[in-house]
Amino acid sequence: ETGVTQTPRHLVMGMTNKKSLKCEQHLGHNAMYWYKQSAKKPLELMFVYNFKEQTENNSVPSRFSPECPNSSHLFLHLHTLQPEDSALYLCASSQSWTSGTLNEQYFGPGTRLTVT
Amino acid sequence: QKEVEQNSGPLSVPEGAIASLNCTYSDRGSQSFFWYRQYSGKSPELIMSIYSNGDKEDGRFTAQLNKASQYVSLLIRDSQPSDSATYLCAVNVGGSSNTGKLIFGQGTTLQVKP
Repeated sequence: ETGVTQTPRHLVMGMTNKKSLKCEQHLGHNAMYWYKQSAKKPLELMFVYNFKEQTENNSVPSRFSPECPNSSHLFLHLHTLQPEDSALYLCASSQSWTSGTLNEQYFGPGTRLTVT
Repeated sequence: QKEVEQNSGPLSVPEGAIASLNCTYSDRGSQSFFWYRQYSGKSPELIMSIYSNGDKEDGRFTAQLNKASQYVSLLIRDSQPSDSATYLCAVNVGGSSNTGKLIFGQGTTLQVKP
């Protein structure tokens, strides 16, 4: 595997279901991100992790719960979602900005989520 | 509210022409600027990054940055139909207190007609 991978690529879930999205980066990066992309709206940053520590929660509802067990893996746990949560969820990674490098972010292919 | 503005387009250019994509941003402290290309149904792909005022060239792509005017642009020379995509401008916010946070514009859709 190379780059940033995400599974599953497509997910349909009911409003009462619990599911998880997985992201793995093979770039040796230390920062990871979750973004939401809805139709006709700009990419929205959801969460930022730097060396496994959460550094940003962009006022995301608690029905989205991130987890970062190490610098290579990132999860997004989903429960009791709403239909308006249907979107493309993108994971990205970068070198950590705290190491003085400029954080060029590289995206995974995304998970297309549909909430019914 | 930090903002990044782009004309949503579509911008239509003939094959072989120069496509000019523009972006303005509100955070005067921003120091890093990125252009991503996103094909329909795909994820964003980083194509250019620029940090200093002036021009940066990479193949057919040239990024231009003017921090005083809070303006960043992307020029695509010899446009090809395969360049047809949505181009996203992203700006780092936080200035010297860099937190890795990027704000994205809505994107400009480019159509290159054969």
